[in-house]
Amino acid sequence: LAKTTQPISMDSYEGQEVNITCSHNNIATNDYITWYQQFPSQGPRFIIQGYKTKVTNEVASLFIPADRKSSTLSLPRVSLSDTAVYYCLVDGAAGNKLTFGGGTRVLVKP
Amino acid sequence: DSGVTQTPKHLITATGQRVTLRCSPRSGDLSVYWYQQSLDQGLQFLIQYYNGEERAKGNILERFSAQQFPDLHSELNLSSLELGDSALYFCASSVAAGGEQYFGPGTRLTVT
Repeated sequence: LAKTTQPISMDSYEGQEVNITCSHNNIATNDYITWYQQFPSQGPRFIIQGYKTKVTNEVASLFIPADRKSSTLSLPRVSLSDTAVYYCLVDGAAGNKLTFGGGTRVLVKP
Repeated sequence: DSGVTQTPKHLITATGQRVTLRCSPRSGDLSVYWYQQSLDQGLQFLIQYYNGEERAKGNILERFSAQQFPDLHSELNLSSLELGDSALYFCASSVAAGGEQYFGPGTRLTVT
């Protein structure tokens, strides 16, 4: 069962890059890593998913080292509207328990 | 709008009671997940169904049960409710057994 750990909070400023690292030491071979964004009183929203190396989409990049024991979500040039809680999820594709990290509260300041 | 619907939006009930939360997945999605989120806490995975069958089980209490029906909607039943069961309950769906999940707006349960 993968246990995921991520920082509780981090502050940033508009226009800066934000990097959030999630630790998942016990990740299984078939597990994927997925990141979600959540605003207060709303359901989480998918940001990005990856298995290894680097994945990039229009809103973020995900870096996964070769040992896959951690992953880093990179948000380029954040704006005030990126203030939210970000969760990493180790997705047990083989039917294992889905394990969310505790969430990282990101505050973007003007 | 994720396409996932949950009813009711809010529910207030007393300790010891039983409630049923309902979830309709996005059209075409075969997998349904249930999560619990207590106040200012993270997401706790409860259970997952795929095409009507239970696929994965998380930290779901014995007082809680769920099922996915032939039309793929799902219900989460919570019984013998305790104050500590007060939380936001989210349903999510995905096309396959894993992959991107689409979350509903949640049901806020308050146990008094």
